[in-house]
Amino acid sequence: GEDVEQSLFLSVREGDSSVINCTYTDSSSTYLYWYKQEPGAGLQLLTYIFSNMDMKQDQRLTVLLNKKDKHLSLRIADTQTGDSAIYFCAESIGYSGAGSYQLTFGKGTKLSVIP
Amino acid sequence: KAGVTQTPRYLIKTRGQQVTLSCSPISGHRSVSWYQQTPGQGLQFLFEYFSETQRNKGNFPGRFSGRQFSNSRSEMNVSTLELGDSALYLCASSQETGNTIYFGEGSWLTVV
Repeated sequence: GEDVEQSLFLSVREGDSSVINCTYTDSSSTYLYWYKQEPGAGLQLLTYIFSNMDMKQDQRLTVLLNKKDKHLSLRIADTQTGDSAIYFCAESIGYSGAGSYQLTFGKGTKLSVIP
Repeated sequence: KAGVTQTPRYLIKTRGQQVTLSCSPISGHRSVSWYQQTPGQGLQFLFEYFSETQRNKGNFPGRFSGRQFSNSRSEMNVSTLELGDSALYLCASSQETGNTIYFGEGSWLTVV
């Protein structure tokens, strides 16, 4: 079965780097995603990585994928107070034969940025 | 380009009633999926639609149903509401299968 795990809390000082880790179990995942959720809001797509890539960088965000260990990480450089939110890791799993997919999410990591 | 739009944003219903939630995907997106978010269970997949066809369904009872219209707009319906149905219901859209998936702001449902 599919399962995505993340640590629940992370606290960093403003200006430092944040690293949020995630492990997943389904080796057939095609895409892996990071979403951000602020209080009372929906999910904001931060970035995603295709399963045949090792790394993707997008401004302050760096995603690393270790497919052998099924480990995904999100690094946020120069973390700001506005980065305080819950971050969800998700894997996209195809539904065979139908061309469909579904996302399986971790429980989310609450990032607190200390000014 | 407008994002994924969900209506209503907030609603309160009584046990036993039914509710319909609406989702307008990003223009050009043909795949729409629905998720339920609760503090206890986290984010769980409900169903996915593409070109008016339900292609995939999560592990939810038959009280949860949905449909998609020819303009890709989607609705989901929950009948015979239970207290445990109180949740944030999120709609997501994508152009094709499983690449960039964008979510709406959600519909907050409270069942009393």
